Amino acid sequence: DAKTTQPPSMDCAEGRAANLPCNHSTISGNEYVYWYRQIHSQGPQYIIHGLKNNETNEMASLIITEDRKSSTLIPPHATLRDTAVYYCIVRVAYTNAGKSTFGDGTTLTVKP
Amino acid sequence: GAGVSQSPSNKVTEKGKDVELRCDPISGHTALYWYRQSLGQGLEFLIYFQGNSAPDKSGLPSDRFSAERTGGSVSTLTIQRTQQEDSAVYLCASSAIAGAGETQYFGPGTRLLVL
Repeated sequence: DAKTTQPPSMDCAEGRAANLPCNHSTISGNEYVYWYRQIHSQGPQYIIHGLKNNETNEMASLIITEDRKSSTLIPPHATLRDTAVYYCIVRVAYTNAGKSTFGDGTTLTVKP
Repeated sequence: GAGVSQSPSNKVTEKGKDVELRCDPISGHTALYWYRQSLGQGLEFLIYFQGNSAPDKSGLPSDRFSAERTGGSVSTLTIQRTQQEDSAVYLCASSAIAGAGETQYFGPGTRLLVL
């Protein structure tokens, strides 16, 4: 799996949209971008994934650059409960050989 | 249940003892993964099952660690002769083969403390 790099920490004001960047410059054509988050003392939670098109669901929007070398996760209208570590990973989907290599992620702190 | 469950949620043991950690994946999910997360660290991949076979054991840190999966469902991670450095949260995840691009769904983890 390709390596990803994320800033170690970010702050966001409550009610604002957070913009969490991720670089994955060595991503392969068959690798998807996945985002998870981990709230303190809980297991990781799936947020969203995409290949090359922008994606949106009830939790966040995912913006992937045209060259696929970076992406941005945008949880809209952040609340205090969104304070968590956000992990960006890239991995091959639709195979049975996948395993996720999680880096250190970005610790997002939502402030009132 | 709708999600991945793990038991026990917490385990305190003495150095040198054996422990067994259990994972119940989401019903119908054929892939199952074990990870370890030490305090303040990211997730460390341990082992992956497809059905009952484990094609990738590359992450097991030593021969004291083993895992099995029976009936294509429940999995057990066993740590023999536990050491203090084994203290961590052990996370299990499962995924289906097709549909959502093999998205992994994680359980709440087992917090292991070796004294």
